[in-house]
Amino acid sequence: SQQGEEDPQALSIQEGENATMNCSYKTSINNLQWYRQNSGRGLVHLILIRSNEREKHSGRLRVTLDTSKKSSSLLITASRAADTASYFCATDAVDYKLSFGAGTTVTVRA
Amino acid sequence: EAGVAQSPRYKIIEKRQSVAFWCNPISGHATLYWYQQILGQGPKLLIQFQNNGVVDDSQLPKDRFSAERLKGVDSTLKIQPAKLEDSAVYLCASSSDGSNTGELFFGEGSRLTVL
Repeated sequence: SQQGEEDPQALSIQEGENATMNCSYKTSINNLQWYRQNSGRGLVHLILIRSNEREKHSGRLRVTLDTSKKSSSLLITASRAADTASYFCATDAVDYKLSFGAGTTVTVRA
Repeated sequence: EAGVAQSPRYKIIEKRQSVAFWCNPISGHATLYWYQQILGQGPKLLIQFQNNGVVDDSQLPKDRFSAERLKGVDSTLKIQPAKLEDSAVYLCASSSDGSNTGELFFGEGSRLTVL
């Protein structure tokens, strides 16, 4: 079974708007990663946040982690057409197995 | 730096036929993973190698799937005989960190269609 679950399943926004997606997980983790997958391509690593961190930034990306709620959010600011992709969270639990969620599909309209 | 190379990119076979996928990881990466991604789902780990040894193959359907990593570099994933439900993208990934806590580098994937 998948450890992480993203919400919403799909998101459609206008170019320039912000996109927020969430990831909830079931068991304690060591760290959480976010990946992007463009249609027909492999996954690309975006950002890693450790269990003792609460927030992390990378360019237009902002990730938060709330271990008490077992959830994380990914915010993409000032979205562009190139941000159209599926976004996956991946968690490594106590057994160190990396588990991916089903993803959030983001469509950025011009 | 060259990325993870996979081939073929696309393969269409009839059920009960066999197929093999090849992966060349990033140079120097000791850990290699094979994931199966069914349409609309996230990647599911099939097998993980550390150098040429298997670390985790608990989700590999061993009655039909096999994988090897000779000399700790290239890897092949074989399916024999294929079933309709094996239609998926097979993703290879590598990492320099064998603890599963680091960044994974993915190839473009091999899309399999079983008719």
